[in-house]
Parts: sequence; C-alpha cells; structure tokens
Amino acid sequence: NAGVMQNPRHLVRRRGQEARLRCSPMKGHSHVYWYRQLPEEGLKFMVYLQKENIIDESGMPKERFSAEFPKEGPSILRIQQVVRGDSAAYFCASSTDRGSTGELFFGEGSRLTVL
Amino acid sequence: QQQVKQSPQSLIVQKGGISIINCAYENTAFDYFPWYQQFPGKGPALLIAIRPDVSEKKEGRFTISFNKSAKQFSLHIMDSQPGDSATYFCAAVDNQFYFGTGTSLTVIP
Repeated sequence: NAGVMQNPRHLVRRRGQEARLRCSPMKGHSHVYWYRQLPEEGLKFMVYLQKENIIDESGMPKERFSAEFPKEGPSILRIQQVVRGDSAAYFCASSTDRGSTGELFFGEGSRLTVL
Repeated sequence: QQQVKQSPQSLIVQKGGISIINCAYENTAFDYFPWYQQFPGKGPALLIAIRPDVSEKKEGRFTISFNKSAKQFSLHIMDSQPGDSATYFCAAVDNQFYFGTGTSLTVIP
C-alpha cells in the first residue's frame, strides 16, 4: 500500500511563473490537507479538502493560491505568479476521516525554490 | 494565533540522556494529541499519540505525559540515541490538526 505520493519533489520556478504541486493520498483516504513549512519553522496549515470540496481554506493566502481535489486524480496546489517568499516545502497529508478520528499520513513534500 | 505552544525550539542531549519536549494548549475541545517525528528531507511521521482520558502513554523509549487540568502535555525520550536526532512536532486535534512550531533535537554520541 503506497503512502502519500507528492510530486514533484523539487521544483524551481522564476518569479512570475506558476507552480503546480500534486498529491495522491493513500488508498482509501478521502481527506487531504496541505501544509507549508519554512526553514526553521513549523507546519502551517493551508487548506483541507475532501473529494471535490474545499472544507477549510482559512490558512491559504487569498491571492495567487488555489487548491483542488477532483473526483478523479490527485489533489493539486497551484501557486500563480510565484514570488521569492513562496519558497518553502509544501507537505500534503491524508486521512480516512476528519480530525481526531483519523491518523494523518504525510508525503515527503515538494520543495519549491523561486529564483 | 498559535493554538499549540511548543518548547524548547532546539534541544541538545547526550546519548543515553532524557529528552523532554513540552506543549501547551488552550482549547478544551481538543481530544487527540499526537507527536510527529520528522527527519531532514522527509515528511513528518506519527510517533506516538494520546487521548485526554489517560495521563500517560508509553511506547518503548517514548512516553507522553498528559496533564488535562494544566492543558499541557510532554514527550519524554528515554535513553536518547543519535538516531533520535530529528524535529519533533506536537499537535492538538479537534476537527483539524494544529501543530506546534517544532523542536529540533540533536543527540550527541
């Protein structure tokens, strides 16, 4: 049973380009979370999705960032017109259920570098 | 607003010593308190977790102590080993996972 798969593992973009990060949750998991981790900082919640629905996007910047989790295929975190401050590791996590009823499994992250 | 406060930010312990990391929370709705371990270049992985109906949970060298009245919980790593060197995150969970800011542990041989 494969774990949470994230790709690309490393992504380099120039300022103003778009970054697309993909996450395939564990088999049987319908809940997906995205977190951002800056060097020497903790995990900052960005968005929580279930299939085809955004449940909580309170941690996501209002502009340039969007997320989706379609009925078929991986969850996508999209960052438009990237800036240097977007450079970070982005982690996806999945679970079978919400909150305390489901263990959270993390992928190995996508590391975005904006030149 | 940080829902979970974690300390210390970094910790250096001699091999064989005890590592202690502390977390505090305010929201009494939290009902699940996991600890995650993260090695460089990897994603966090669940290490041990506790629910508020018990005061302590032990798994091998790792123990969670939970003080419901004080709204505090801590991770104790007994007989710390160099292989334990990692970043540790506590979390408190209601409908969502709230993570602490992490503790970078270095165990010196």
